[in-house]
Amino acid sequence: AQRVTQPEKLLSVFKGAPVELKCNYSYSGSPELFWYVQYSRQRLQLLLRHISRESIKGFTADLNKGETSFHLKKPFAQEEDSAMYYCALRNTGNQFYFGTGTSLTVIP
Amino acid sequence: DTGVSQNPRHKITKRGQNVTFRCDPISEHNRLYWYRQTLGQGPEFLTYFQNEAQLEKSRLLSDRFSAERPKGSFSTLEIQRTEQGDSAMYLCASSWTTSGANVLTFGAGSRLTVL
Repeated sequence: AQRVTQPEKLLSVFKGAPVELKCNYSYSGSPELFWYVQYSRQRLQLLLRHISRESIKGFTADLNKGETSFHLKKPFAQEEDSAMYYCALRNTGNQFYFGTGTSLTVIP
Repeated sequence: DTGVSQNPRHKITKRGQNVTFRCDPISEHNRLYWYRQTLGQGPEFLTYFQNEAQLEKSRLLSDRFSAERPKGSFSTLEIQRTEQGDSAMYLCASSWTTSGANVLTFGAGSRLTVL
């Protein structure tokens, strides 16, 4: 079975401060990990995926297989980063499993 | 292409009635997924199709739920004899399974309220 855990339901940081949204997963196979974001009154959209190893909107995430983690980081938070963030795992059967989400608020 | 389209956006029904949601995926996408999301939770997998074949169904999907994708294009999700616990946002997503491109593109969702 697979599971995605996001331990923080709510996270508040000040503008310009670093931010880290935690994601841990459990899966016996080789997963693919994603971060999806949902801005206010918008649909869920892909933010980044681990195999791309790219920075999107200043966010990065590194897959740590030893710690089974895929934490999302940004060195300097902006007000427009306020949103709901979901970590997701795709298994070898092409099913996607989502965490419960973290609501990020960036305080001006 | 306007992305993944879902209709209706909001449905209010009385307990015991049947409801049907429709999803039109991105035209070239061969996979289509249904998820359910309740308040404070992430999307929960219900079922998915590759072309017209339904490949996987979650245990969350009771016998009252049925999904179809008759021609490998649009899909419908029907809930029979609705219960108040069925109240949720029903999300559709599609993807294209070329190498490196299997990411989900979501629709705006269909919100079901069962009175």
